[in-house]
Amino acid sequence: GQNIDQPTEMTATEGAIVQINCTYQTSGFNGLFWYQQHAGEAPTFLSYNVLDGLEEKGRFSSFLSRSKGYSYLLLKELQMKDSASYLCAVMSVKTGANNLFFGTGTRLTVIP
Amino acid sequence: DGGITQSPKYLFRKEGQNVTLSCEQNLNHDAMYWYRQDPGQGLRLIYYSQIVNDFQKGDIAEGYSVSREKKESFPLTVTSAQKNPTAFYLCASSIVDGAPMNTEAFFGQGTRLTVV
Repeated sequence: GQNIDQPTEMTATEGAIVQINCTYQTSGFNGLFWYQQHAGEAPTFLSYNVLDGLEEKGRFSSFLSRSKGYSYLLLKELQMKDSASYLCAVMSVKTGANNLFFGTGTRLTVIP
Repeated sequence: DGGITQSPKYLFRKEGQNVTLSCEQNLNHDAMYWYRQDPGQGLRLIYYSQIVNDFQKGDIAEGYSVSREKKESFPLTVTSAQKNPTAFYLCASSIVDGAPMNTEAFFGQGTRLTVV
């Protein structure tokens, strides 16, 4: 089965940096995704990691350590619009196909 | 434009009634998924399908049913057996095979179901 853990809530200040952690246990690991979801809306894709290391994309970076079952999403120069839930999702190869399993999400509140 | 469409956006159901949520995609994706999201919670997998005429139960399939008669369509029926159906339902699709980067899931805009 899959076990994905992330903090429930975080608060950070506008202009600051925040790191959202995700730990996972899964069989057939085939990549880790981060999604952003604003309240009442569909999740939108932020990043994908399948190899160890850091992937940078503008203000957002994502890191993966497969041996530790650990990832983080780093948000720099926080803006008020970054207030949202951030979902960690693990792709697991199951019966020859890929399936995506989500954590419960981290609700980030950015304050002035 | 390619995408994934869910309808309706809001749905009200009386207790004891079955209701069907629509999900259509024109992305030529093989895999389709249904997730349920409760307030302040993450996504929980209800059912998924990797190929036409085949589907598998997710973590919380009880009280739900699906069909996959066409590649483009994956409707979800919430039956009267589902005791707590009020939630936000999200449909997603992705490529099954191919480079891992291509397996990003695309989501519909969701259907908010309320039992009255």
